[in-house]
Amino acid sequence: DSGVTQTPKHLITATGQRVTLRCSPRSGDLSVYWYQQSLDQGLQFLIQYYNGEERAKGNILERFSAQQFPDLHSELNLSSLELGDSALYFCASSAYQGKANEKLFFGSGTQLSVL
Amino acid sequence: AQKITQTQPGMFVQEKEAVTLDCTYDTSDQSYGLFWYKQPSSGEMIFLIYQGSYDEQNATEGRYSLNFQKARKSANLVISASQLGDSAMYFCAMREGNNDMRFGAGTRLTVKP
Repeated sequence: DSGVTQTPKHLITATGQRVTLRCSPRSGDLSVYWYQQSLDQGLQFLIQYYNGEERAKGNILERFSAQQFPDLHSELNLSSLELGDSALYFCASSAYQGKANEKLFFGSGTQLSVL
Repeated sequence: AQKITQTQPGMFVQEKEAVTLDCTYDTSDQSYGLFWYKQPSSGEMIFLIYQGSYDEQNATEGRYSLNFQKARKSANLVISASQLGDSAMYFCAMREGNNDMRFGAGTRLTVKP
């Protein structure tokens, strides 16, 4: 058990809808990262938050947004969903804002299916 | 540009034998970290091993070792005495300086009995 909690584990929704994925980092970790894993794109970095502030942005679509709350949990909001958004969404956490030697602890992921 | 390259989409190994999974990377930073993660069929991402760019010794963790060749920018994972439970996707990843972690496309390892 990595200590990172993601809910829900599975989500099935329709095109055009909006969903929210939730992540609780390991106790004491200040950074939260979101990744998208789809079959044809591998593991793609979306966005990182550190202590409530956006720290780094990757290949995140404008339809997607995220935030980190004062209690350090994070939410990833996906709107106007398309079939291609179907993927496994991972949350990961680390203690600091991003040192080269800092490993990430991953949650078990949320499997999103857009029908 | 792709910074982490894993050229082996799939690999097979006989149980109890050793296997090497290839990883090359591209960076101009002096300070960076290299990581390997395992993703079994259940989907979770499991950290295996870490190598720092300034580390002179190759990292080892139990049956896992990292063959770090800095001049060639390669960080191959060696799994010794393969077990059936080693069948999984393996991802090489890199962190440059204070940046986020980027992953390669992965290698699917199948251990045959």
